[in-house]
Amino acid sequence: GENVEQHPSTLSVQEGDSAVIKCTYSDSASNYFPWYKQELGKRPQLIIDIRSNVGEKKDQRIAVTLNKTAKHFSLHITETQPEDSAVYFCAASITGNQFYFGTGTSLTVIP
Amino acid sequence: ETGVTQTPRHLVMGMTNKKSLKCEQHLGHNAMYWYKQSAKKPLELMFVYNFKEQTENNSVPSRFSPECPNSSHLFLHLHTLQPEDSALYLCASSQTGDGTEAFFGQGTRLTVV
Repeated sequence: GENVEQHPSTLSVQEGDSAVIKCTYSDSASNYFPWYKQELGKRPQLIIDIRSNVGEKKDQRIAVTLNKTAKHFSLHITETQPEDSAVYFCAASITGNQFYFGTGTSLTVIP
Repeated sequence: ETGVTQTPRHLVMGMTNKKSLKCEQHLGHNAMYWYKQSAKKPLELMFVYNFKEQTENNSVPSRFSPECPNSSHLFLHLHTLQPEDSALYLCASSQTGDGTEAFFGQGTRLTVV
């Protein structure tokens, strides 16, 4: 099956700085890459996603980039705020089936 | 509410007990999943059902037995569990073919004593 690796496992940034989380995947057939945010005690929720026919997608302060050739994709959060503190998961999927998740990044934004 | 509902929210069971976790989705999705979330493996895929048919069993021990009677309901039957099975069990659903997100339930926090 698909193998998704995610780095770093923990990340601390000062409020207002940028945060970058990187993931790699192994199955070249994967074509859908969502990112989830999980706050303490809550379920994972989608924050942004990208499909394999797109190289970059942006939604306000968050953006995702995809390099199909290298099989890696990244999450970028700009102007970080304390409420961005959470665990972030990347995932890889083939047409919305069998989502395989990375090991998560615990982001702490220091006020 | 998310459209994916799990019950119970918390469960404590002994190693000789038999219990079941329930998941229900009201989103019209055709695929449902069980994930195990623990400190060691944050989101570990256990089972996948597409159109009620099991399409993935990710090397899960037989003490976990899934059941999918229809595309809206998913169960996880538990028996003779071990303390290391204590974790948060998350159910999710998605619509395959569209490449859309998986929606998660709130999870069941399971403690095996």
